Order: sequence, then C-alpha cells, then structure tokens
Amino acid sequence: DTGVSQNPRHKITKRGQNVTFRCDPISEHNRLYWYRQTLGQGPEFLTYFQNEAQLEKSRLLSDRFSAERPKGSFSTLEIQRTEQGDSAMYLCASRANTGVSTEAFFGQGTRLTVV
Amino acid sequence: AQKITQTQPGMFVQEKEAVTLDCTYDTSDQSYGLFWYKQPSSGEMIFLIYQGSYDEQNATEGRYSLNFQKARKSANLVISASQLGDSAMYFCAMREGYGGATNKLIFGTGTLLAVQP
Repeated sequence: DTGVSQNPRHKITKRGQNVTFRCDPISEHNRLYWYRQTLGQGPEFLTYFQNEAQLEKSRLLSDRFSAERPKGSFSTLEIQRTEQGDSAMYLCASRANTGVSTEAFFGQGTRLTVV
Repeated sequence: AQKITQTQPGMFVQEKEAVTLDCTYDTSDQSYGLFWYKQPSSGEMIFLIYQGSYDEQNATEGRYSLNFQKARKSANLVISASQLGDSAMYFCAMREGYGGATNKLIFGTGTLLAVQP
C-alpha cells in the first residue's frame, strides 16, 4: 500500500495525558499537512511542512501542540496535557507539487477521544 | 477571507438518479483550485474531482462532474447514476494561490448524501 498511513487509528486518553500521532506520507511527496476535523465540520488546517521545514502553523495550534517532520519523511503530532476539546479526528495529507492543481492524498485519520 | 459554503446539510437521492451538491466560495485570488472530496464512514478523504479557476470547461471524472460558474462563485458537484456506495459525506474545498504558498485546503461543512434503493 503506497497511500498515506496514520497511526494509531483510534486513541482514547485521559484528560491531562500526552498523546503522539504518526503520519507516513506517500514517499515521493515533499509537502505534508495536518488537519483537525470535529464532529459535523469540515477539516481545518493545523500545520504544513515542506520537506523537514515547518512553514506554517494555524492559530488552532496552541502551545500544547507540536509537530515535527525529521528528515522530511514521516511526521508526528504531539498534544500535551490533553483537554476534552482536543477530541477530534486528526487527518494527515501529502502532495507532491507546487501550485493549485494537484490533489492532496489523505490518510484515514487518527480519532482522538479525551475522557 | 476565503470561505467555502455548503448549504445542504443532508440530501436523499434514489439509486440510479442524478444529484447535485451545492458549493459556493469566496476569494479575492485570481488563481485558485476547487476540489470535491468524499468521506465515507471509515474516515478517509477520497479525492473526486478538481476545477482550476482558469479552466474554461467543466471538469468531469467518470460519474462526477463539476458545474463551475465563476461569476456566481459556485462549484456544484453532480453525481450521475447514483449508487448505494455513494452514500457518504461530501466536502467542497478550495486551495489558494501560486507555488510558494502553503496551498492549504479550506473546506466547507459538508453534505451528507444518502442513496436510497
């Protein structure tokens, strides 16, 4: 399978705990995006990597959130001191080229539930 | 600010009939792209169709076509010959700008389509 892979698929955690999600993009894609999707809403942009450089972060990405993409390959998204409001689907997407025409390929997401 | 509006929270369609899902957008950019994605209950976002702002012809991909009306800033998705497997959430999205920009996607709130046998 050469698609975008996300792990874990589901995560239940207690409020206050730290969680980390992983995204493995399509191997030749240099652009990687993280989105968050809450119930009944469309995905909202969180952050963007071009190769290993994190070039844009949304205001949604509070200080408790950190993302990395070492060596420009896989990426991790960590949430520290989770809150119930962090419960959402976290989607990763990758794409290859610049410009507006190429589609982003999405993973199946990690569904986080904070109890 | 860029915005995507999908005014239909839910739609029903009979199997084998056509259905139109509405999407309007707002942007001040001259160059932009419009996308439709399908999200089944399993969660992944599946790309369906793309329309560029400079494309003069409406995009088509199999049973999917995009009714692009630039002056009205609308990009409606038409699904012909609906199938039971088309039941899913459908999201309209827009990507801004030229190369060098982040080119992130801005999504609407989605339309839940239910295909009835």
